[in-house]
Amino acid sequence: AQKVTQAQTEISVVEKEDVTLDCVYETRDTTYYLFWYKQPPSGELVFLIRRNSFDEQNEISGRYSWNFQKSTSSFNFTITASQVVDSAVYFCALRKGAQKLVFGQGTRLTINP
Amino acid sequence: KAGVTQTPRYLIKTRGQQVTLSCSPISGHRSVSWYQQTPGQGLQFLFEYFSETQRNKGNFPGRFSGRQFSNSRSEMNVSTLELGDSALYLCASSPDFATNEKLFFGSGTQLSVL
Repeated sequence: AQKVTQAQTEISVVEKEDVTLDCVYETRDTTYYLFWYKQPPSGELVFLIRRNSFDEQNEISGRYSWNFQKSTSSFNFTITASQVVDSAVYFCALRKGAQKLVFGQGTRLTINP
Repeated sequence: KAGVTQTPRYLIKTRGQQVTLSCSPISGHRSVSWYQQTPGQGLQFLFEYFSETQRNKGNFPGRFSGRQFSNSRSEMNVSTLELGDSALYLCASSPDFATNEKLFFGSGTQLSVL
């Protein structure tokens, strides 16, 4: 069975600090996709990134970066120089084949001014 | 392009009643999925539809049902409501039914069961 674990339930930092959100997943398959979504207070989840299991290249998009390591089954997300607008709940998710998308429990990130 | 639209935004029901939630996907999207979000259980998958066919189903009792119409709009129904059904119900759409599809979410329907 697939499982996604986000051990950090809540994180609170001061603006401009760097913060890393951890995501560990479990699957026996070799082909799968990993995702990160952001849920602001308005409620709708917003797609941030997807990564397939064969692409271990790290990715950087502005202040956001993602570190995918198959050896440790982790897909961590780092926000550099955090801003108040980054405050949200962040979800990591896993999908393989035609099966359902499985979400982690989410990490509530609060950026204090 | 309009985003995913869910109606109603808020709903208050009493135990034993039934409820129908509606979801209009982004124009051209043929896949719709539903999720239940609660503080205790997080995001739980309910169903996934593509071309009017249910492709995946989560571990929910038979009181939860859904369907998709020929225009890709989807509805989910919960019968004999229980207090534990109080949750944010999120709908998401994607162009196709594929492993790597990113989902576009609506703002959800907040259901309160009294």
